[in-house]
Amino acid sequence: GQQVMQIPQYQHVQEGEDFTTYCNSSTTLSNIQWYKQRPGGHPVFLIQLVKSGEVKKQKRLTFQFGEAKKNSSLHITATQTTDVGTYFCAGLTTDSWGKLQFGAGTQVVVTP
Amino acid sequence: GAGVSQSPRYKVAKRGQDVALRCDPISGHVSLFWYQQALGQGPEFLTYFQNEAQLDKSGLPSDRFFAERPEGSVSTLKIQRTQQEDSAVYLCASSPVRDYPPTDTQYFGPGTRLTVL
Repeated sequence: GQQVMQIPQYQHVQEGEDFTTYCNSSTTLSNIQWYKQRPGGHPVFLIQLVKSGEVKKQKRLTFQFGEAKKNSSLHITATQTTDVGTYFCAGLTTDSWGKLQFGAGTQVVVTP
Repeated sequence: GAGVSQSPRYKVAKRGQDVALRCDPISGHVSLFWYQQALGQGPEFLTYFQNEAQLDKSGLPSDRFFAERPEGSVSTLKIQRTQQEDSAVYLCASSPVRDYPPTDTQYFGPGTRLTVL
């Protein structure tokens, strides 16, 4: 079945530094979504990517969908303490009936 | 407007008890999803409703799990004869989209944390 892997599992970042988290799927995706979950909270939608090679930016966050639509990345610049949380990618395939396949997430800890 | 709400927020059950978890989706949202999130993991799909129709229940881990949405709005996830491995956060999400398969943003509720002793 479809597998979505995320790396790294943990990311310790000094405030002000940049980092990237990666998402890889074993199958081609129709689209990919990114969610952020704060400690004790629930997943909150960040963005959806649909097109091959698509790049979208939200302030300090840059999201990319691979050319083969099997991988994605989230790059955060000038990390702030408000970026703390777990970032999940979730993929959809054309036959998944809206069944999002979540990765295990990247837990981000920011050191002031 | 109000988001997705779930109740109870926390539930402690003794092994073997039945539990019922409620989800109130955003008003007018057609699609409703249930997910199970174990500690340190991403949400795992359980089941999907479009209005009152349960279109996919392939993620339900056993026949002890049952979900319904009889009037196309509120949904209930029932777990019979709970086991310790059922301990997790159960998340409900809704989406306004009528597309099939749905591809739009899913709005998550706060979840119900179930602990089975």
